[in-house]
Amino acid sequence: EVQLVESGGGLVQPGGSLRLSCAASGLNFSHYWMSWVRQAPGKGLEWVANINQVGSEKYYVDSVKGRFSISRDNAKNTLYLQMNSLRAEDTAVYYCARALFVFVAGTFDSWGQGTQVTVSS
Amino acid sequence: DIQMTQSPSSLSASVGDRVTITCRASQVINIYLNWYQQTPGKAPKLLIYAASTLQSGVPSRFRGSGSGTDFTLTISSLQPEDFATYYCQQSYDTALTFGGGTKVEIK
Repeated sequence: EVQLVESGGGLVQPGGSLRLSCAASGLNFSHYWMSWVRQAPGKGLEWVANINQVGSEKYYVDSVKGRFSISRDNAKNTLYLQMNSLRAEDTAVYYCARALFVFVAGTFDSWGQGTQVTVSS
Repeated sequence: DIQMTQSPSSLSASVGDRVTITCRASQVINIYLNWYQQTPGKAPKLLIYAASTLQSGVPSRFRGSGSGTDFTLTISSLQPEDFATYYCQQSYDTALTFGGGTKVEIK
């Protein structure tokens, strides 16, 4: 069974940084595109970033470009999201998600439980 | 970026009703369209991918259709566990985008 477990969320001041982690098990982690998706309180889903199997392709939503960085460590079966220059509007539950098939980037069939990020002074 | 517009944003229905949710893309996305279901406090669940392919384990009362810019999710006979929020999402572009969601509530 695929299991994705996020960690690293918390309360941070505007302008601060956080690094989220997503530990994967029960899957050939290195075979799949991985993504971060977030959901602000009471709002809908927003894709944040994704990364290919070897980390050579990375894509971001415009609102986080230059501030967030996605990476992965296939030896540790772990996905990361480094978040810098955080803003109040980054407050959300952050989910990591796995792509459905090894040749597909943008369809998510496995999700973590989410980690809360709150940006506030 | 491709904008995804869902309608309605919410609806009230009874158990056994047929429910239809629409999703429109701001440009042609062929069949690169997925549907997710989310209940409060839970992660989303993939229902349908490639516009009409039912994800493994999803009941057959869920049906997706459409191509190009216009798509539909139909629940043929609403069950108590189907009261949730539904999102469409395009995977045509590298900048992935979701619709705003449709909340299905109990009448």
